[in-house]
Amino acid sequence: DAGVIQSPRHEVTEMGQEVTLRCKPISGHNSLFWYRQTMMRGLELLIYFNNNVPIDDSGMPEDRFSAKMPNASFSTLKIQPSEPRDSAVYFCASRDDRVREQYFGPGTRLTVT
Amino acid sequence: GESVGLHLPTLSVQEGDNSIINCAYSNSASDYFIWYKQESGKGPQFIIDIRSNMDKRQGQRVTVLLNKTVKHLSLQIAATQPGDSAVYFCAENRREYGNKLVFGAGTILRVKS
Repeated sequence: DAGVIQSPRHEVTEMGQEVTLRCKPISGHNSLFWYRQTMMRGLELLIYFNNNVPIDDSGMPEDRFSAKMPNASFSTLKIQPSEPRDSAVYFCASRDDRVREQYFGPGTRLTVT
Repeated sequence: GESVGLHLPTLSVQEGDNSIINCAYSNSASDYFIWYKQESGKGPQFIIDIRSNMDKRQGQRVTVLLNKTVKHLSLQIAATQPGDSAVYFCAENRREYGNKLVFGAGTILRVKS
């Protein structure tokens, strides 16, 4: 299995632009998580899907952030408009709920100038 | 100007020595705990987990100890190797939030050759 796939790996954009991060979870996993990692705040859970349905989005910073999971093999995290304080590494993780381990993707490093 | 961010504790050990990384958790209702390893530029990688009804669990070169009385978790790495250098995170599973992981700030492990 290729593991969790994220794209792009790096994204540099200007303030005000729309940013879309993509994730393909491991096949057969039914939970998907989006995290943000910064030096200031560490690793934070943004949103959690189970069977493609958002379960907990309490970690989404504000309305500029949105996430979708149209099917079991694809999810997006969108920031519109982006701001410099959104600069971080964004991780996607997936899990088979029959076991406890979450598998993380390689992350997308976002820089907003 | 001076940057402000999380000040991660750092553990420096000599190659071949044993390492002990500690973690305090907050919720006595958490039903399991996981240790993750994050190497530079990569996503967190699962090391070992432990259920809340256990005190100790062993893996390959790693042992996790759980002390529920004081809400303390530790990860012991035997015969530490240069490849063990990374940031180590403990995470607790919060069932009341729909089985989501809450991560600690992390500990930097540096292995000296």
